[in-house]
Amino acid sequence: KAGVTQTPRYLIKTRGQQVTLSCSPISGHRSVSWYQQTPGQGLQFLFEYFSETQRNKGNFPGRFSGRQFSNSRSEMNVSTLELGDSALYLCASSNQGSFQEAFFGQGTRLTVV
Amino acid sequence: AQTVTQSQPEMSVQEAETVTLSCTYDTSESDYYLFWYKQPPSRQMILVIRQEAYKQQNATENRFSVNFQKAAKSFSLKISDSQLGDAAMYFCSYSGNTGKLIFGQGTTLQVKP
Repeated sequence: KAGVTQTPRYLIKTRGQQVTLSCSPISGHRSVSWYQQTPGQGLQFLFEYFSETQRNKGNFPGRFSGRQFSNSRSEMNVSTLELGDSALYLCASSNQGSFQEAFFGQGTRLTVV
Repeated sequence: AQTVTQSQPEMSVQEAETVTLSCTYDTSESDYYLFWYKQPPSRQMILVIRQEAYKQQNATENRFSVNFQKAAKSFSLKISDSQLGDAAMYFCSYSGNTGKLIFGQGTTLQVKP
């Protein structure tokens, strides 16, 4: 069974630009969650999608958005990038939700310059 | 709001010895799950062990075991017969009614040969 795939692995963007990150969950998993990891703030929950619906949302500004497609693949979009958005973005998939075992991808390292 | 606290930023252990990583959490929920995740330099989060709050028996996975004290809201991880491959950052995390994972700040474990 293929694991969680996140693309791209690395990304460099300029302030003010927007970016889209992609996450393909494990086949059969319907829940996809996104987390931001920074040295200062640690791991913070962004949002969770389940069967194409946003089920939970963290405390991030509206510049952070996401969606999930019918095949459970998910995308995360950040508009008007700021230097502080530089982080490792992790995607996790599970069958029902994070209370079950969540499988993580290797992350996308976003650098904003 | 739920919180997870890891009070040991760094720990070190001699190869083949035993080490215990500490974690405390705060919640008013009665039904929840606790996890220990490992993040090696490759950055991929790997589930080490999972504990359901309603189970009194401590979870065990090979060399990894937990000491779950529900009343004290404590969830420590014991690694026996430490191996060089155990060197990583370890995150304690909580999942409750919201379904999102709440992480502690992490403990960096160094294993000395």
